[in-house]
Amino acid sequence: AQKVTQAQTEISVVEKEDVTLDCVYETRDTTYYLFWYKQPPSGELVFLIRRNSFDEQNEISGRYSWNFQKSTSSFNFTITASQVVDSAVYFCALTTQGAQKLVFGQGTRLTINP
Amino acid sequence: DTGVSQDPRHKITKRGQNVTFRCDPISEHNRLYWYRQTLGQGPEFLTYFQNEAQLEKSRLLSDRFSAERPKGSFSTLEIQRTEQGDSAMYLCASSHFGSNRKTYEQYFGPGTRLTVT
Repeated sequence: AQKVTQAQTEISVVEKEDVTLDCVYETRDTTYYLFWYKQPPSGELVFLIRRNSFDEQNEISGRYSWNFQKSTSSFNFTITASQVVDSAVYFCALTTQGAQKLVFGQGTRLTINP
Repeated sequence: DTGVSQDPRHKITKRGQNVTFRCDPISEHNRLYWYRQTLGQGPEFLTYFQNEAQLEKSRLLSDRFSAERPKGSFSTLEIQRTEQGDSAMYLCASSHFGSNRKTYEQYFGPGTRLTVT
């Protein structure tokens, strides 16, 4: 079975601070895919990144960066110089080659205060 | 590309009534998924289609729930004899699945929020 744990339920920081959202996953499959989605107050899930299990390279996209470490089964997400518009609930998700359906963590509610 | 659309966005119904939701996926996507999200939780998988074939159903999908994708384009999710526990956001997503069997990201619609009174 697959499982995703986001231990941080809520995080609140002041604008311009850096913030890291943690994600730990469990799976016995050797081929799997990890995702991050953003859910702003409007409710629509917005795709941010997909990573497959064979690619451990970290990725940076503007103020966003992702750190994938198979040794610790973690796929953490860092926002640098946070902005109020980053306020949302962020979900980490996992799927495997055979399963296809997404298994989500419980989400981390991020609040950026001006 | 217009994205995934869902209709209605909100539905309030009385316990015992039937409701039907519609999802229109991104046009070139052959896979369509339904998820349910309750307050404070992550989305939970309900079922998915590849073209018109329903390939998997979750145990969450009781016999009061039925989903169809008759022509491999839009999909409907019907809940019969609604219960208060059915109150949730129902999310639809679509993705591409090709002959290379590569897994691609799922794109989500805005959801249908169901309230059963």
